[in-house]
Order: sequence, then structure tokens, then C-alpha cells
Amino acid sequence: KQEVTQIPAALSVPEGENLVLNCSFTDSAIYNLQWFRQDPGKGLTSLLLIQSSQREQTSGRLNASLDKSSGRSTLYIAASQPGDSATYLCADYYGNNRLAFGKGNQVVVIP
Amino acid sequence: DTEVTQTPKHLVMGMTNKKSLKCEQHMGHRAMYWYKQKAKKPPELMFVYSYEKLSINESVPSRFSPECPNSSLLNLHLHALQPEDSALYLCASSQSPAGGGYEQYFGPGTRLTVT
Repeated sequence: KQEVTQIPAALSVPEGENLVLNCSFTDSAIYNLQWFRQDPGKGLTSLLLIQSSQREQTSGRLNASLDKSSGRSTLYIAASQPGDSATYLCADYYGNNRLAFGKGNQVVVIP
Repeated sequence: DTEVTQTPKHLVMGMTNKKSLKCEQHMGHRAMYWYKQKAKKPPELMFVYSYEKLSINESVPSRFSPECPNSSLLNLHLHALQPEDSALYLCASSQSPAGGGYEQYFGPGTRLTVT
């Protein structure tokens, strides 16, 4: 089974700093990789999906990269804001369209 | 429309009750999923329906009973639950269950509390 690791489990950054969240996966034969945001007690909000043939995706202040050869993906959030405080989950798609989730990065942006 | 809806948003039930969770999508997707998420943990896959047939059951206790009446609707019937079953239940759908290239779209979830 695919394993996805996100380190650190929690981090705090001052407002305005760029956020860098890392995700690693064990099997380079992934299909797609997706980043989600989850606010406390809420469902999952899809941020970016990177197809296996792509190296990165961008949406506004968010940029996600994918390096299959090294088994890594990185989510960059530029100029962080207090509203970016949430848990960020990385997940990759493997056989039978299943999702393997990391345990998440809990982010606090300090005003 | 890329929306997956779930009802109810919140549910409180006793251990002897029978209740159901409902999930609906109108994107023409042929795969639907149930996940369970405990606090501060990632979602865990429970069931997958592929073309309205149950294709994956991740060894879920029989007190959880899924049903897919048609291609747009997915139910999760609950009976004789335990307090440890309290969690956020998420539904998702994707265009196809095959391979791994089809994005899953998630609903907002049902927050279940078992008393």
C-alpha cells in the first residue's frame, strides 16, 4: 500500500512569510497527487491536483510541485495570511482510484 | 456542477437507534466512496461503489451497511453503533473507479455523535 508522509505535523509562521509544506510518498508509480485544506470540524477542500505527467500546478498564491523520481511534492503558499490557518493534507492516487492520505500539516499563521 | 451533497450535516444517535446518511452527486460519476475521519486523523476509506455495485469493503463492521440505489445516490445505514464510531463521515465521487487518474470530489461531511 502506498504510504504518504507529511512532516512536520504542526508549524507556526508569522503572517506574510511564505509557507512550504512537504509531502513524500513511497511508490513513484503514482497517478495523480492532490492537496487538500481542512478547517476544524469541516470537510475537505481541494486546493490543487497535479497529474502524474505534470510537474506543477498553480492557483493564486498556491503552487504545488511534483517530483515523482524522488517521491516528493511541495505546496508553497505565498505571503501567508491568518486565514491560511488550517490542516493541509496531501494525498496520492493509486490502484482502483484509491487515495492514500498523509497525516497532514497543521498550520497556524500568527498575525 | 461539481458538487457532492451530504445530509444531514450533524447527527446524534443512541446506540440502539437506526439512522442513515445520504450522499448525492449529479456529475454522472460512476464511482462513489465512503470515508470515516476521526479527529486529527486523515480520512480512512470504508467502502467503494463501482457502477452501483460494492467493489471495496475495507473490513468495516456490519453495523455499517452501505447502499447505492442508483448512480447518483449513496446511503450509509447505521445500526447499533458504538461511541467510538463518532466521527466525520465523508462521501466522495469520481468519474471512474479504474486506475488512479480520476479526481475524487468530496462532500462536506456528516458529523456523527453516538451517545
